[in-house]
Amino acid sequence: GNSVTQMEGPVTLSEEAFLTINCTYTATGYPSLFWYVQYPGEGLQLLLKATKADDKGSNKGFEATYRKETTSFHLEKGSVQVSDSAVYFCALSDRDQGGKLIFGQGTELSVKP
Amino acid sequence: SQTIHQWPATLVQPVGSPLSLECTVEGTSNPNLYWYRQAAGRGLQLLFYSVGIGQISSEVPQNLSASRPQDRQFILSSKKLLLSDSGFYLCACAGGPRKMDSPLHFGNGTRLTVT
Repeated sequence: GNSVTQMEGPVTLSEEAFLTINCTYTATGYPSLFWYVQYPGEGLQLLLKATKADDKGSNKGFEATYRKETTSFHLEKGSVQVSDSAVYFCALSDRDQGGKLIFGQGTELSVKP
Repeated sequence: SQTIHQWPATLVQPVGSPLSLECTVEGTSNPNLYWYRQAAGRGLQLLFYSVGIGQISSEVPQNLSASRPQDRQFILSSKKLLLSDSGFYLCACAGGPRKMDSPLHFGNGTRLTVT
């Protein structure tokens, strides 16, 4: 079945450091891919998305490129801020199962000043 | 835009008591609706999803059930809570003409503690 695997956390960085959170997926067909962010005590917010191969999603300085050849959707940011501290989830949509999202296990990011 | 209302925000219930969590959606019609659970320090587990009134798909066998009595209302229930039911419950929806391939919009969640 479809699945998503993320790098394990927690990830601790200093402010202005470069961020990469790895995400790979297994899927039949051509799913859409998403990154969600969860701030402490809150629900999930969509961060960015990509719907087909080679699409690049971007938002708030974060980027991720849909790589079909490597089945990856790694999240990157050039210069993180303390306010980026949160849990990040990679997900793919399963069109054949009611459009449900299948999530990775989440990666906690902590940015220190 | 779609807005999801979930309540209550926090809930403490004793083992063996019943549960009813409600989720309502505004800003779209005939959405797909989902219940996810997030256990402490873990990822999100899909519990139920619904593509229409009265249509419920269960993802994992468990102590919980879901119902969709109206187009934009999704209810998560249990007759007798277990300690293992503790967690953060999130309602989500996807609407619009491409709802099968759309991002999900999430509510703010209900933190349930079973004591």
